[in-house]
Amino acid sequence: QKEVEQNSGPLSVPEGAIASLNCTYSDRGSQSFFWYRQYSGKSPELIMFIYSNGDKEDGRFTAQLNKASQYVSLLIRDSQPSDSATYLCAVQNSGGYQKVTFGIGTKLQVIP
Amino acid sequence: EADIYQTPRYLVIGTGKKITLECSQTMGHDKMYWYQQDPGMELHLIHYSYGVNSTEKGDLSSESTVSRIRTEHFPLTLESARPSHTSQYLCASSGTGTRRGYTFGSGTRLTVV
Repeated sequence: QKEVEQNSGPLSVPEGAIASLNCTYSDRGSQSFFWYRQYSGKSPELIMFIYSNGDKEDGRFTAQLNKASQYVSLLIRDSQPSDSATYLCAVQNSGGYQKVTFGIGTKLQVIP
Repeated sequence: EADIYQTPRYLVIGTGKKITLECSQTMGHDKMYWYQQDPGMELHLIHYSYGVNSTEKGDLSSESTVSRIRTEHFPLTLESARPSHTSQYLCASSGTGTRRGYTFGSGTRLTVV
């Protein structure tokens, strides 16, 4: 079992719809959770982080965390073609070095 | 402006050459990382450092080496480049309070011919 699991996609949604991206992790002691966006040929950029159960909203983005189910999600409301990218889930593990593990990423395509 | 810089952006080099990929950050971050990523594939951690004179190998076996003599500088060296080293190399850094996540450089796309 991978430490961080994501469906690689592609996930296709029409413009204006809600895109829902999901991620599960194996280390029950994980502390912090991140979502990065990576455009094709570019570096990942941090768009959200969450460390408490529940929802965290920032503009059109909402991160949701359920530690009991070991599940993190990212919702993108009013999806735009410019949101088309690969979204990487990253989990900061428990342990002395607090290692961060990245998922494979989900490719999102927003269709105009 | 605080940032993280990688040079060169693109490099085409012949087999057997020694190369050094540069990475510098102006954010005063203690932790720095090197990742390797092939197109459309996941990130693989190849080296990391939690401070000056501290370096560790990552999850992916790599023939490269790193050094951390200054906080802001984390170069990666390949003693003898091979075509199998062709990839994108990404440098990242993070500060204390890692809830802030990583800041990535623009990357170096290396092609070994």
